[in-house]
Order: sequence, then structure tokens, then C-alpha cells
Amino acid sequence: KAGVTQTPRYLIKTRGQQVTLSCSPISGHRSVSWYQQTPGQGLQFLFEYFSETQRNKGNFPGRFSGRQFSNSRSEMNVSTLELGDSALYLCASSLATATSYEQYFGPGTRLTVT
Amino acid sequence: AQKVTQAQTEISVVEKEDVTLDCVYETRDTTYYLFWYKQPPSGELVFLIRRNSFDEQNEISGRYSWNFQKSTSSFNFTITASQVVDSAVYFCALSEAQRVGSTLTFGKGTMLLVSP
Repeated sequence: KAGVTQTPRYLIKTRGQQVTLSCSPISGHRSVSWYQQTPGQGLQFLFEYFSETQRNKGNFPGRFSGRQFSNSRSEMNVSTLELGDSALYLCASSLATATSYEQYFGPGTRLTVT
Repeated sequence: AQKVTQAQTEISVVEKEDVTLDCVYETRDTTYYLFWYKQPPSGELVFLIRRNSFDEQNEISGRYSWNFQKSTSSFNFTITASQVVDSAVYFCALSEAQRVGSTLTFGKGTMLLVSP
């Protein structure tokens, strides 16, 4: 079974621009979560989607948004990029059932904002 | 609010030594889930284990073992006879029961360096 895939793997953007990151979950997984990883703040939860609905959201400004499509693929968007948005963005998918709830992570997208 | 503390920022050992990574958590939930992930230099988080709060049985998987102590809110991870390939950052994480596994609160991670 293919794992979680994320595209692109690396991205360089300029302050003020916007960016869209993509995540394809493991086949059959309906839950997709996004995390931001930085050296200072560590791993922080951004949001989670399940069956195209945002179920939970972390403490991030409205510039960070996401969506999920009917095939469970997800995208996250960051508008008006700031230098502090430079980070590794990790996507994770899960079956999200009572007996199978662990999250499997993709390789991440490393975003650099200059 | 949930919190996970990994007090050890970095641990260095020589190959074949045993090493224990500590994890202490805080939660108001009576039912919760605990996880360990490994992050090698490539960056991808690799799932290692999950544990329900109502299942305190310790687990062993090859050279890996986990000790869950609800009384001390700890979920420690031991690698026996460490190998160079074990070098990575290890994260402990906590999830609330209401949203099974959907929101992970991570510790800051422990960087393990195993030298030959």
C-alpha cells in the first residue's frame, strides 16, 4: 500500500505570496491532519479534515486554511506569507476508527519564505 | 490543556548500549491515547507504537519496549542494544479521546545519537 504523499517536497516563496501544499492520504484513510514543524515551536497541529469537513483546528491565524476533496486528498493554503511561516509542513492520514487511529505521516513539504 | 514533556533534549550513546527515552504527559481526560514516533534525518515521522490509557500492559517489539505508568503519567521508551540506525529524533505524543488520534500534542522530541 502506498504511503502518504506530499507535493511539492521543497518550496521557496517570497514574503507576501501565497502557497498551496498538497497531500494524498493512504488509500482508504478518510482523516487528514496537517502539522507545522519548526525548530522553535516543534510540531504543532494545524487542522484535521474528515470526509471533506474540518473537524478540528489548531491555534493558527486565518492565513492558514485547508480543504479536503471527495477522494480524501487535502490541500492547505497559506496566504500573505511571513518569514515565520518557514517550516516543514507534515500531513498525516488515519483511518480514524476506534480501533485504528494512529496517524501515518508523509515526508513533508519544506517551505522557505525569503 | 494537554501537555507532553520530553525532558531529555539529546542523548548520546555508544552502539549496543541500552537507552531509555522519557515521556511525561498531562491531560484532564480519563481516556486518552499515547504514541511514539521516530523522525530520521529524512524528515518523515515514522509511527512506532500506540497505547490506550486503559491498557497499561507494557509492550515489547524486538529491541523496542515501552513502559506505560498511569500513576506517574509516564510512557517511557527503551531501546535495547542500540544501533547506529536508531539515530533519530523521537517524539512522544498524546491524543484526546473525543477525537481519536485526530489531534496530536507532541513533546519537543529527544534526539538520539548512537555512535559506532
